[in-house]
Amino acid sequence: KAGVTQTPRYLIKTRGQQVTLSCSPISGHRSVSWYQQTPGQGLQFLFEYFSETQRNKGNFPGRFSGRQFSNSRSEMNVSTLELGDSALYLCASNPRTGGGKLFFGSGTQLSVL
Amino acid sequence: TQLLEQSPQFLSIQEGENLTVYCNSSSVFSSLQWYRQEPGEGPVLLVTVVTGGEVKKLKRLTFQFGDARKDSSLHITAAQPGDTGLYLCAGADAGNMLTFGGGTRLMVKP
Repeated sequence: KAGVTQTPRYLIKTRGQQVTLSCSPISGHRSVSWYQQTPGQGLQFLFEYFSETQRNKGNFPGRFSGRQFSNSRSEMNVSTLELGDSALYLCASNPRTGGGKLFFGSGTQLSVL
Repeated sequence: TQLLEQSPQFLSIQEGENLTVYCNSSSVFSSLQWYRQEPGEGPVLLVTVVTGGEVKKLKRLTFQFGDARKDSSLHITAAQPGDTGLYLCAGADAGNMLTFGGGTRLMVKP
């Protein structure tokens, strides 16, 4: 079974731009969660999608949004990028909603200049 | 908001030494997971502990869940360079939402 695939692997943007990250979960997994990882804050939960519906949301500003498609693939969008958005963005898939065993992708390393 | 404190934050030891990493909270968790993350990769689940007082062994790694389900520890015996990485604990609340600790960065020198 293929693992969780995240694209792109690396991304460099400038302040004010917007970015879209993509995540393809493990086949058969309907839940996709997104996390932001920084050296200072650790792993912080952004949101979770299950069957195309946002089920849970973390404490992030509205500039962070996401969606899930009917094939369970998910995208995350960050608008009006700030320097502090530089981080590793991790996607995790799960056969069911609400935590449980998470299978993480390798992440997208975003640098905002 | 449930908080998980991990200690120590950093640990550098020689190959063959033993070590223990702690994960503490004032909150009760329905279960607790331990992950290991290597550079350039996402976290990989090592174990899930569910019952208070539970002890699980994974080769040289021993995981324990506190009796009150508020804390956990990870003990590594005879550490090897391949154990190097970031160890993360994550607690699940009643709704099964995970909260991650800040992580312990372990370096095992040959």
